[in-house]
Amino acid sequence: GNSVTQMEGPVTLSEEAFLTINCTYTATGYPSLFWYVQYPGEGLQLLLKATKADDKGSNKGFEATYRKETTSFHLEKGSVQVSDSAVYFCALRALGNEKLTFGTGTRLTIIP
Amino acid sequence: NAGVTQTPKFQVLKTGQSMTLQCAQDMNHEYMSWYRQDPGMGLRLIHYSVGAGITDQGEVPNGYNVSRSTTEDFPLRLLSAAPSQTSVYFCASSYSKISGSYNEQFFGPGTRLTVL
Repeated sequence: GNSVTQMEGPVTLSEEAFLTINCTYTATGYPSLFWYVQYPGEGLQLLLKATKADDKGSNKGFEATYRKETTSFHLEKGSVQVSDSAVYFCALRALGNEKLTFGTGTRLTIIP
Repeated sequence: NAGVTQTPKFQVLKTGQSMTLQCAQDMNHEYMSWYRQDPGMGLRLIHYSVGAGITDQGEVPNGYNVSRSTTEDFPLRLLSAAPSQTSVYFCASSYSKISGSYNEQFFGPGTRLTVL
């Protein structure tokens, strides 16, 4: 079956540090890949997505590249801010299927 | 558009009580789903629906019932609450007939349920 494995947290960084949150997946075919963000007390919001190999999703300074050869979709940001403190979820959706499979989430805390 | 709305925001139940978590969306989405979020386990799919009158089980359906009589509403029922159902519940929706395989799922704000 499909699965998503993401970097265990929590992750604590200083403001302006470089961020990487690792995500790898197992799926047949070519799934779509997503990063969702959950701010404290809120629901999940789509951060970025990629639908095919070598696609790069980007939003709010975050980026992730769909790597078919390594089955990965790592989230990166060059300079994090305190407002980026949240829980980040990697997810996949198999082609033709609406269901999302989520990773366990990574809690990120940015300190001033 | 209000998007996806959920009520209540918080609920405390005693073991054995029943209740319904409400979910509604005003985006004319065909696909709706319920997830539960537990520490260290991410989001797990409980039930989902691909359209009015059609529902199916997800990963963790036991102890929960759903129905989909309209496109807008997708209530989740707990028939006899158990402490293991203490969790945060999220409803989500997406429009499954938009072209391509990258339809965004929109999430509600969640319901935090405690079963004593």
